[in-house]
Amino acid sequence: GAVVSQHPSRVICKSGTSVKIECRSLDFQATTMFWYRQFPKQSLMLMATSNEGSKATYEQGVEKDKFLINHASLTLSTLTVTSAHPEDSSFYICSARDRQGSGTEAFFGQGTRLTVV
Amino acid sequence: AQSVTQLGSHVSVSEGALVLLRCNYSSSVPPYLFWYVQYPNQGLQLLLKYTTGATLVKGINGFEAEFKKSETSFHLTKPSAHMSDAAEYFCAVSANNAGNMLTFGGGTRLMVKP
Repeated sequence: GAVVSQHPSRVICKSGTSVKIECRSLDFQATTMFWYRQFPKQSLMLMATSNEGSKATYEQGVEKDKFLINHASLTLSTLTVTSAHPEDSSFYICSARDRQGSGTEAFFGQGTRLTVV
Repeated sequence: AQSVTQLGSHVSVSEGALVLLRCNYSSSVPPYLFWYVQYPNQGLQLLLKYTTGATLVKGINGFEAEFKKSETSFHLTKPSAHMSDAAEYFCAVSANNAGNMLTFGGGTRLMVKP
């Protein structure tokens, strides 16, 4: 299957700082990428849908000014958690869909464990 | 609106025993259903999916799942567990068959005892 690389896999940052997470499709072009987060012992929840070259679509309750998403190319989307607070500590995971396929599956990155101290 | 409930956040079986991971869903539209597996420090990997047609779906690594509309269930089974099956398993529902915009269950951690 196609490979999606997410970096970093773990990050610890101080409260008030910003953290950038990268999601790359390594062997395919992705017109659409999805960002999820998972709190401990809870489900993965869709945060936003990112389309190449356009603004991301955020799910209800997700602050777009806090979670900045950029999808500047067909192989890279970034999620920046701005002014991070301890309650932002979570597991963030991206997925990407191959532009060549219709009805094909989305491929997931390995996730990023963010800890804000 | 869609939701998924996975009964049992942890399931432990002996090697060679039957694996049964439960998943129930709710959906206002005909659902597309998925099972993903996540090994430590790796991304989610698609095990199998139900879109239309045959309700018994076979996936990779000997897993299968049966869509039962009357029970709103999509339980995952494997006749004989291997040590390598130890992982986190996620059931998910989508309004389309591409697996986009998934709603996930809380996950079930499968442990396999020797």
